[in-house]
Amino acid sequence: GESVGLHLPTLSVQEGDNSIINCAYSNSASDYFIWYKQESGKGPQFIIDIRSNMDKRQGQRVTVLLNKTVKHLSLQIAATQPGDSAVYFCAENPPNTGFQKLVFGTGTRLLVSP
Amino acid sequence: SAVISQKPSRDICQRGTSLTIQCQVDSQVTMMFWYRQQPGQSLTLIATANQGSEATYESGFVIDKFPISRPNLTFSTLTVSNMSPEDSSIYLCSVRTGSGEKLFFGSGTQLSVL
Repeated sequence: GESVGLHLPTLSVQEGDNSIINCAYSNSASDYFIWYKQESGKGPQFIIDIRSNMDKRQGQRVTVLLNKTVKHLSLQIAATQPGDSAVYFCAENPPNTGFQKLVFGTGTRLLVSP
Repeated sequence: SAVISQKPSRDICQRGTSLTIQCQVDSQVTMMFWYRQQPGQSLTLIATANQGSEATYESGFVIDKFPISRPNLTFSTLTVSNMSPEDSSIYLCSVRTGSGEKLFFGSGTQLSVL
């Protein structure tokens, strides 16, 4: 079946460093991808999304890169801050679901040290 | 985006009882969904809450265990029936607004079953 996985369950960085969180997806026909941030005790918060017809999209301090050749998605956070500490999930929208279903990855915990 | 209110935020329940979780949105939304997040894990879609008709359940989830109501475009409930400790999870309401792809989440209900 479809699955989305992450290479690193925990990523520890120093404040001010750039962080890169990776995600592998299995369905080459997925057409839409999202990154979410989940802080302790809260629901997932939308960070950034990207369609399959793009390979890069930038937001405020965040960049998502999509490599369809190797089915890889990454989230780059510039100048990481302690407030960025959270669990990050990638999610993919499988084809023919009309954006009605997202498949979530297992999550990566980002720990930012001051 | 939409403001999604979920209650209760947390509860501790006895085995064999049922709990109904409410989700209220501050605007009319096209799609409402219920997700489960088991301890330390990712999000799994339980069902799509359909306004005026029976919910659409994902594989592994059944109406008898997770009855869902959606009487209008801003409100839905999820009941976790005949609970067991295995039902201890975070239950999350999510919505999609308009024709956009983004999925927004409530803050979740932390359920512990003793």
